[in-house]
Amino acid sequence: DAKTTQPNSMESNEEEPVHLPCNHSTISGTDYIHWYRQLPSQGPEYVIHGLTSNVNNRMASLAIAEDRKSSTLILHRATLRDAAVYYCILPGTYKYIFGTGTRLKVLA
Amino acid sequence: NAGVTQTPKFRILKIGQSMTLQCTQDMNHNYMYWYRQDPGMGLKLIYYSVGAGITDKGEVPNGYNVSRSTTEDFPLRLELAAPSQTSVYFCASSYGQGTMPQHFGDGTRLSIL
Repeated sequence: DAKTTQPNSMESNEEEPVHLPCNHSTISGTDYIHWYRQLPSQGPEYVIHGLTSNVNNRMASLAIAEDRKSSTLILHRATLRDAAVYYCILPGTYKYIFGTGTRLKVLA
Repeated sequence: NAGVTQTPKFRILKIGQSMTLQCTQDMNHNYMYWYRQDPGMGLKLIYYSVGAGITDKGEVPNGYNVSRSTTEDFPLRLELAAPSQTSVYFCASSYGQGTMPQHFGDGTRLSIL
């Protein structure tokens, strides 16, 4: 299973955009890139996923590098409710490998 | 929509006791998973199932057992509780593998004393 690398923590001001990076240099051609987030005392929550093209949904945008070795989760306007741990995952066969993710702190 | 429901939410066990963590989903998902999350760490896969009657080990299966007699239910059993099993346990389900998002329950916080 391909591995991902994320910064341990990031900070953002409220109502500003946030760019959360993820490196996955060993990604295979068929690996989808998934992002989840985990709010305090809750289970992980699906955010977005993509394969090659950039993706948008109501929660966030996913920008995927042309060589697919990195991706960026974009929160367009961070709110206090976005403070969470964000996980970048390349699902292997039947399973996800969760690293320690990026802890996002949003400053009021 | 209930989604993935886990019971109990909290439990304290004594060393050597046994218990079953319950997980049920109402989305007709074939795939179900059990994870544990230790403080400050990411989730680790314990067991997974790709359908009723089919289960397989994940990264950290020792000390646990599972069964999958129906599509909806995927209970996790601890036979001889040990302090190392103190953790938060999450159950998840998905329609398929790889491309399909996983849906998680709210977790069971288990302490072994």
